[in-house]
Amino acid sequence: EPEVTQTPSHQVTQMGQEVILRCVPISNHLYFYWYRQILGQKVEFLVSFYNNEISEKSEIFDDQFSVERPDGSNFTLKIRSTKLEDSAMYFCASIQGIGSPLHFGNGTRLTVT
Amino acid sequence: GIQVEQSPPDLILQEGANSTLRCNFSDSVNNLQWFHQNPWGQLINLFYIPSGTKQNGRLSATTVATERYSLLYISSSQTTDSGVYFCAVVKQAGTALIFGKGTTLSVSS
Repeated sequence: EPEVTQTPSHQVTQMGQEVILRCVPISNHLYFYWYRQILGQKVEFLVSFYNNEISEKSEIFDDQFSVERPDGSNFTLKIRSTKLEDSAMYFCASIQGIGSPLHFGNGTRLTVT
Repeated sequence: GIQVEQSPPDLILQEGANSTLRCNFSDSVNNLQWFHQNPWGQLINLFYIPSGTKQNGRLSATTVATERYSLLYISSSQTTDSGVYFCAVVKQAGTALIFGKGTTLSVSS
């Protein structure tokens, strides 16, 4: 069964550094998402992306975040200047179309020191 | 925005017991999914169930959209069922999936 793949599985970075989290959505999916989960808390929506532009974003997704689909397969989340509170599990997800189920990757655990 | 409330927040079971997890939502929804987050943090898609009843092995789910709730049934629980169960909803087609806070299930042998 096709799946969403995320790399790396774990990333450690120093406060103030830029990080790029990478995702390869399922190949025939059209809508892409980033979510985050701070340890022990619920899964929070960050941003959705369709047709090469952001379609929806939450208040968490401020100017330090950006997303990009640089080619036909990758979908990236960039955090420009990481803060300690950015430490979380970041999940990428995709759907084939509106009304279809969301499929999640295994996540990237980001630790900011 | 839409509110998603899950109960109970924590559940401790002996292996072999049955359980029911509940998800209430504050508005009509276009989509509802149940996920299991295993101890390694992976989110496993259990059911896509905006309405009606579905079964998959020992698990089943029912969503009564008109009354704004969904139930997840786990029968003959096993230790591998341990983890966090999340309910998540989409209020309007094309918008984001919004998660509840989850039910943490611990099954002991």
